[in-house]
Amino acid sequence: DAGVTQSPTHLIKTRGQQVTLRCSPKSGHDTVSWYQQALGQGPQFIFQYYEEEERQRGNFPDRFSGHQFPNYSSELNVNALLLGDSALYLCASSLFLRLDGRHYEQYFGPGTRLTVT
Amino acid sequence: AQKITQTQPGMFVQEKEAVTLDCTYDTSDQSYGLFWYKQPSSGEMIFLIYQGSYDEQNATEGRYSLNFQKARKSANLVISASQLGDSAMYFCAMRVHDSSNTGKLIFGQGTTLQVKP
Repeated sequence: DAGVTQSPTHLIKTRGQQVTLRCSPKSGHDTVSWYQQALGQGPQFIFQYYEEEERQRGNFPDRFSGHQFPNYSSELNVNALLLGDSALYLCASSLFLRLDGRHYEQYFGPGTRLTVT
Repeated sequence: AQKITQTQPGMFVQEKEAVTLDCTYDTSDQSYGLFWYKQPSSGEMIFLIYQGSYDEQNATEGRYSLNFQKARKSANLVISASQLGDSAMYFCAMRVHDSSNTGKLIFGQGTTLQVKP
């Protein structure tokens, strides 16, 4: 049973460029969340996708956008890169939270480490 | 505001001894979930243990137990019989139940644990 996979593993970009990160969820999961983790910090929620729609967004500018495909995989796009966008980008998959669900886990991928120079 | 606080930036423990990692949380919600994740240097977030706000008993998963004190809003992680492989960053996280129903996670700043041989 494949877990969450992300590509690429590492990426180096220049300020002002655009980047696309990819995530394939764990088998059977339909929801993908993206988190940004700056060095030495805890992850910060960027947004979540379910049924190919953005369900919620954290405190991130419009430069951050995403997409979910019919096979539940997802992309995170960042435009006009800034030095401050350098971070580990984590993708997490889960089943969409049901109101009667007491417990569900978010399974995280290994992350994509983005360096902006 | 919903917040997770981890006040121990770094901890040391002798191999085979027990260690407690502190976590306090702030929320006005009655229904919430608390998680602990381990993040090795490779970057992947590994789920360790979960405690629901309505769970009356403290959660346990092998060598991990969660000391849940609801009135004090604390959810400390106890690792028994520490092993060298336990050396990693540990994050406490809270799942919020809001109208969007996304179940996004709010993370603390993390605690670096080093196990000494």
